[in-house]
Amino acid sequence: DAGITQSPRHKVTETGTPVTLRCHQTENHRYMYWYRQDPGHGLRLIHYSYGVKDTDKGEVSDGYSVSRSKTEDFLLTLESATSSQTSVYFCAIKSRDTANEKLFFGSGTQLSVL
Amino acid sequence: DAKTTQPNSMESNEEEPVHLPCNHSTISGTDYIHWYRQLPSQGPEYVIHGLTSNVNNRMASLAIAEDRKSSTLILHRATLRDAAVYYCILRDRSNFGNEKLTFGTGTRLTIIP
Repeated sequence: DAGITQSPRHKVTETGTPVTLRCHQTENHRYMYWYRQDPGHGLRLIHYSYGVKDTDKGEVSDGYSVSRSKTEDFLLTLESATSSQTSVYFCAIKSRDTANEKLFFGSGTQLSVL
Repeated sequence: DAKTTQPNSMESNEEEPVHLPCNHSTISGTDYIHWYRQLPSQGPEYVIHGLTSNVNNRMASLAIAEDRKSSTLILHRATLRDAAVYYCILRDRSNFGNEKLTFGTGTRLTIIP
């Protein structure tokens, strides 16, 4: 267990409302990632962070923003949720900047936008 | 980034070995080969990784072709708990500062009792 928690686990919201998902880690890892998973697409990277206030875009970043004001929390925000953002969202962490390093994933957040 | 190709699905009988293939013909000399699996309703979990030599751990073995253009994840004695989606990904050790960590669609492994 890498000490990674996602909240909420499930959320239903309406189109046009803002939504924030939280990824919390207890291990002081530097690198954190947000992915979405949809049928037929596998895991796709939304945004990632390589330190406090240091973030960058992934392959499907449109419509999403992130913030990392402290090491332990990486927030994913949908400013105005759309039905196409209905998905399962996973957070991942890794401790060091090497390709040898394992990734640890959270249990996921099921988001439904109606 | 170099891409990987995996079969969409495979089936295997319980308590028999399973060989999950992955093709990565455009792999570079600095790419590590990583395998993850995703059990139903869970996030992916690490299985094994390697660079050039075959690797073994308590979960599985990884056989890497001599030219590194393909690899095979071996589950020596599959159980029902091994039913999952298995992902083969490449990680560039020369570019890990900007690692995008992209996953494909993986192989869905079904274990037949």
